[in-house]
Amino acid sequence: NAGVTQTPKFQVLKTGQSMTLQCAQDMNHNSMYWYRQDPGMGLRLIYYSASEGTTDKGEVPNGYNVSRLNKREFSLRLESAAPSQTSVYFCASSGHGTGGWGYTFGSGTRLTVV
Amino acid sequence: AQSVTQLGSHVSVSEGALVLLRCNYSSSVPPYLFWYVQYPNQGLQLLLKYTSAATLVKGINGFEAEFKKSETSFHLTKPSAHMSDAAEYFCAVSTDAGGTSYGKLTFGQGTILTVHP
Repeated sequence: NAGVTQTPKFQVLKTGQSMTLQCAQDMNHNSMYWYRQDPGMGLRLIYYSASEGTTDKGEVPNGYNVSRLNKREFSLRLESAAPSQTSVYFCASSGHGTGGWGYTFGSGTRLTVV
Repeated sequence: AQSVTQLGSHVSVSEGALVLLRCNYSSSVPPYLFWYVQYPNQGLQLLLKYTSAATLVKGINGFEAEFKKSETSFHLTKPSAHMSDAAEYFCAVSTDAGGTSYGKLTFGQGTILTVHP
């Protein structure tokens, strides 16, 4: 099925460890996004990529880096994880692709930093 | 800048009763507005979206929302609640639409809907 695929689904890190969250979409969308979800705060934009080859900071970029590897893939890296980065992370893509206009979310990555 | 306010972090209704979830937005340009639903431990599913066509938008599962520019509101309603509607609902706004993308979404804080038998 067409959509946004995120890996891993769950992860536990120790403070100071690094990791990369992977995201891929197969809808030929131009734009991709990383959000974090925390209770009572909705979803907040971390970074986004309006098109292949570009990335920009969102509302809460500190402690994160991103790479738009190609049109399909957009990864999020935590260089030195902190407990404040415990959250659920969602990748999304948007554009005019498979099935018309769309803004589609992945199923999320639950990250716990201890 | 754009922002969204959802009035009421928790709403409780009886099965069969009207569901009304409130959303007000702030935008300096005509907005695109969305409602998403999130079931426990799942991702976000699009319920409906307003993209400057009809002001009354019908979505999935019997939900609808009306765009009222004068009130800067986009409230979500359903005439008769079902137990399966229990979930968290998010209102979101985008104003960067055009070209090949809807642009960045700004989300409200979410409203948890509880449905009692």
